[in-house]
Amino acid sequence: NAGVTQTPKFRILKIGQSMTLQCTQDMNHNYMYWYRQDPGMGLKLIYYSVGAGITDKGEVPNGYNVSRSTTEDFPLRLELAAPSQTSVYFCASSYGVQGRGGYTFGSGTRLTVV
Amino acid sequence: RKEVEQDPGPFNVPEGATVAFNCTYSNSASQSFFWYRQDCRKEPKLLMSVYSSGNEDGRFTAQLNRASQYISLLIRDSKLSDSATYLCVVNYGNQFYFGTGTSLTVIP
Repeated sequence: NAGVTQTPKFRILKIGQSMTLQCTQDMNHNYMYWYRQDPGMGLKLIYYSVGAGITDKGEVPNGYNVSRSTTEDFPLRLELAAPSQTSVYFCASSYGVQGRGGYTFGSGTRLTVV
Repeated sequence: RKEVEQDPGPFNVPEGATVAFNCTYSNSASQSFFWYRQDCRKEPKLLMSVYSSGNEDGRFTAQLNRASQYISLLIRDSKLSDSATYLCVVNYGNQFYFGTGTSLTVIP
């Protein structure tokens, strides 16, 4: 099992460009999440999904969009990139919110907007 | 008020020492609790869940105090490989709330 796979690992965007961060999991987890982590800061939730076809905003959703057409995939879309979106982005999944197993994280995408 | 608060440290301890971290949470209805470990420039990885009765995994012991709304992590006989940032994570509803992490460096 690959777990949670994120692509790309690194990306440099120019201001105003758009991109999609890909996330896929092969553990049949129903919950998926996108977080961003700024240097020296905790993880902040951008969006999450409790199952295919259902998405909800987290703490910092502005400037992002998501979709969940399948259980496996949860892409994050950045429209009109801004320098404030320079961060490390982590996708995660869990079998259940109250599951003892907690999260499984992808290895992250390091995004720089210049 | 933050959902989860941790002392950022850094904690610098010699090999073999015992070190403890605390984490407080604001929502008394929080349901699940975890400690994660994050190495520099890596993703967080689950270290251990925290159960109401307390639990131990080798050199690591986690405790939950619901009355005072804090969880703790105790590391005994610290190893160089324990150097990392330790994240406290609390679940409420559909979301997990992360602390900013406590940095630990174990010194030879």
